[in-house]
Amino acid sequence: EAQVTQNPRYLITVTGKKLTVTCSQNMNHEYMSWYRQDPGLGLRQIYYSMNVEVTDKGDVPEGYKVSRKEKRNFPLILESPSPNQTSLYFCASSLSSAGGYYEQYFGPGTRLTVT
Amino acid sequence: AQSVTQLDSHVSVSEGTPVLLRCNYSSSYSPSLFWYVQHPNKGLQLLLKYTSAATLVKGINGFEAEFKKSETSFHLTKPSAHMSDAAEYFCVVSERGGNNNDMRFGAGTRLTVKP
Repeated sequence: EAQVTQNPRYLITVTGKKLTVTCSQNMNHEYMSWYRQDPGLGLRQIYYSMNVEVTDKGDVPEGYKVSRKEKRNFPLILESPSPNQTSLYFCASSLSSAGGYYEQYFGPGTRLTVT
Repeated sequence: AQSVTQLDSHVSVSEGTPVLLRCNYSSSYSPSLFWYVQHPNKGLQLLLKYTSAATLVKGINGFEAEFKKSETSFHLTKPSAHMSDAAEYFCVVSERGGNNNDMRFGAGTRLTVKP
């Protein structure tokens, strides 16, 4: 089954404790992206990757890091989480960045709470 | 820069009655427009998209949307609501051919369907 998986699905952590949210897709997609969803704001892009070893900032990259060492995986790293990073996070992938032609597939989301 | 406004944060309808979810956009170029649906505890799923072809776009599950340039609108409709339609809906605008990095999400409209 074609899918995007994220782990963990739920995470409660404390300020400053480094964490990683994993994202994996099994569709051989080149393009992957991370979003955060906050009430009343919709989804905002954090980082994206056009292909292996090619990453770039989205609209809200502060406090986050990513890496793309393999085509299927795109982990999101919070080196020193803060309470304002409490949010619902989505990973997405598509064949290419041309969203008008290639649908983005979204993972089920990771709900992160930072206390 | 492009932006999108979803005019209702919450819409409630009875099962079997029509659904109308309103979306207005702003764009300096010819936009691509999308509607995504998010069911509880699930990732986003593409409902339909407009990319400069026919202005009336049909999507999955009986939904359709009409691109009206003169009104800068892309409202989502369905003739008869079903209980399974209860979800959050996001209108998305993208300039430059629907590039994923260029997408701007609306704040979302929560649809409630009463029996």
